[in-house]
Amino acid sequence: AQRVTQPEKLLSVFKGAPVELKCNYSYSGSPELFWYVQYSRQRLQLLLRHISRESIKGFTADLNKGETSFHLKKPFAQEEDSAMYYCALSGSGNTGKLIFGQGTTLQVKP
Amino acid sequence: EAGVTQFPSHSVIEKGQTVTLRCDPISGHDNLYWYRRVMGKEIKFLLHFVKESKQDESGMPNNRFLAERTGGTYSTLKVQPAELEDSGVYFCASRSMTARAGELFFGEGSRLTVL
Repeated sequence: AQRVTQPEKLLSVFKGAPVELKCNYSYSGSPELFWYVQYSRQRLQLLLRHISRESIKGFTADLNKGETSFHLKKPFAQEEDSAMYYCALSGSGNTGKLIFGQGTTLQVKP
Repeated sequence: EAGVTQFPSHSVIEKGQTVTLRCDPISGHDNLYWYRRVMGKEIKFLLHFVKESKQDESGMPNNRFLAERTGGTYSTLKVQPAELEDSGVYFCASRSMTARAGELFFGEGSRLTVL
């Protein structure tokens, strides 16, 4: 079955601390993985795509096919990083159909 | 340029009533999606339009839900009759045909509360 699992509902860290939001997936094939973010009172928006291997707002995520994981990391958290983060998976075909995890709320304390 | 707009932002209805949600995608976006998040659960795909055609409606929960996109512009999602378990946030998203994989533009969502 195709599934995305984010084991933590809430992750609370202090400003300046490292952050790792976990994401594991189950998919038979070669999926594409994404991180979406929803800041308070804003829309859900794309943060990262694994295929781009990019760093956005200091966040990076590496696809580990052996562990079927796509964890989101940032070495030094900032207060403005506080938001809801969703890991999502797309199958082949670039259809735009996404399978989301349940989301993790990141709270960065001053 | 306006983003994806959804109306209403919040609707409160009684079980058995009908509600129609509307989505206006970004101009020129042929792909339009409906997703929903029910309380405590993940955001789930409902269906996908390409222009006015339903490309994939595998996520529609049952025949109480009817989505249309006449003319290939805005879309409506009607729930009739509404049940308690339909409560949640309904998101619309759009995407151009040339967009990168996974790059969906979401609306702010329509919160539906069924009493």
